[in-house]
Amino acid sequence: KAGVTQTPRYLIKTRGQQVTLSCSPISGHRSVSWYQQTPGQGLQFLFEYFSETQRNKGNFPGRFSGRQFSNSRSEMNVSTLELGDSALYLCASSLLGTGAETQYFGPGTRLLVL
Amino acid sequence: GENVGLHLPTLSVQEGDNSIINCAYSNSASDYFIWYKQESGKGPQFIIDIRSNMDKRQGQRVTVLLNKTVKHLSLQIAATQPGDSAVYFCAENSGSGGTSYGKLTFGQGTILTVHP
Repeated sequence: KAGVTQTPRYLIKTRGQQVTLSCSPISGHRSVSWYQQTPGQGLQFLFEYFSETQRNKGNFPGRFSGRQFSNSRSEMNVSTLELGDSALYLCASSLLGTGAETQYFGPGTRLLVL
Repeated sequence: GENVGLHLPTLSVQEGDNSIINCAYSNSASDYFIWYKQESGKGPQFIIDIRSNMDKRQGQRVTVLLNKTVKHLSLQIAATQPGDSAVYFCAENSGSGGTSYGKLTFGQGTILTVHP
């Protein structure tokens, strides 16, 4: 099976712009979780989608949003970018997104905000 | 609150040695734990997991130990190789209720360096 794929791999944006990142889960996986990874804060949970519904959300401002399509592919959007949004954004997929289930990660999208 | 932390941020070993990476967690409701390996420029790669009804689980060259009494998790890597050099993260999920859906809480990570 192909692994989790993320596009684009790298992005450079300026403050105030918005950005959309894409994630394709492993075939058959219906849950997609998003994480932000920074040197200072480590890996932090953003949100999780299952069957096109957001079931869980981390402590991030409303500028961070996402959605999931009927084929389980997911996108996340960050509006009004700030310098502090520079990070590696990772998505992970699992079969059902239940607690005791392995999540498999994609390679990430590295976002640089100037 | 939820907190998963590592005792040692860096670990340096010689090739062929055994490595032990430790992790402390504070959420007593956590019932599922995972170890990930992250190499530079890549996403975290699954190594091994363990459920709270177990205290030990073995994989290929790796063993995870769980001590629920002191809320401690460890990853043992046997015969460490240069290719094992990476950042290692422990992660946990409380596994109960809606707030657990798809959410892993990660430790800060330990940098493992293996010298030939």
